[in-house]
Amino acid sequence: NAGVTQTPKFQVLKTGQSMTLQCAQDMNHEYMSWYRQDPGMGLRLIHYSVGAGITDQGEVPNGYNVSRSTTEDFPLRLLSAAPSQTSVYFCASSHTSGSLNEQFFGPGTRLTVL
Amino acid sequence: AQSVTQPDIHITVSEGASLELRCNYSYGATPYLFWYVQSPGQGLQLLLKYFSGDTLVQGIKGFEAEFKRSQSSFNLRKPSVHWSDAAEYFCAVGATSGTYKYIFGTGTRLKVLA
Repeated sequence: NAGVTQTPKFQVLKTGQSMTLQCAQDMNHEYMSWYRQDPGMGLRLIHYSVGAGITDQGEVPNGYNVSRSTTEDFPLRLLSAAPSQTSVYFCASSHTSGSLNEQFFGPGTRLTVL
Repeated sequence: AQSVTQPDIHITVSEGASLELRCNYSYGATPYLFWYVQSPGQGLQLLLKYFSGDTLVQGIKGFEAEFKRSQSSFNLRKPSVHWSDAAEYFCAVGATSGTYKYIFGTGTRLKVLA
């Protein structure tokens, strides 16, 4: 199993550009989520999905879109990048419902917006 | 509102010394509690978790944590630190009802002196 994979590992964007961060998992997990990690702020939930076709907003959803057309993939789209979106982005998945389950994290995408 | 506090941003210990990382939470009921470790450039990995029962839980890599309801704490301990333990450590609270949700603390960065 590859676990949770994320691409790209690094990305530099100019303000106003759009892009998609890719996330895939091969563990047949129902639940997937996106976090951003900023210094001194821990991890903050952007969006999450409880299954294919179902997504919901987390703590900091503005400026981001998600979709979940398959169980395996959960891409995160930045519609119009802003310097405030400079961060490290982590995708995570877990097997079943509820927050008692371990989350498996991808290696992260480091995004810089100029 | 749910919250997690990790009072120590940085901790430095000598190799072989004991370690305690503090975590305090705010939650209306008994939460699900987790400790994750993040090695440099990597995603997060679960060290241990507490749901119910024995308040002292054992995890991987020789770590343990104790849930103290009266103090709303879930401190992480290790009797003898190894240089490879240098990393960032995150405490997290999982909701026991309602929306699938984790709240992460801001993290404690551990430095180990040879």
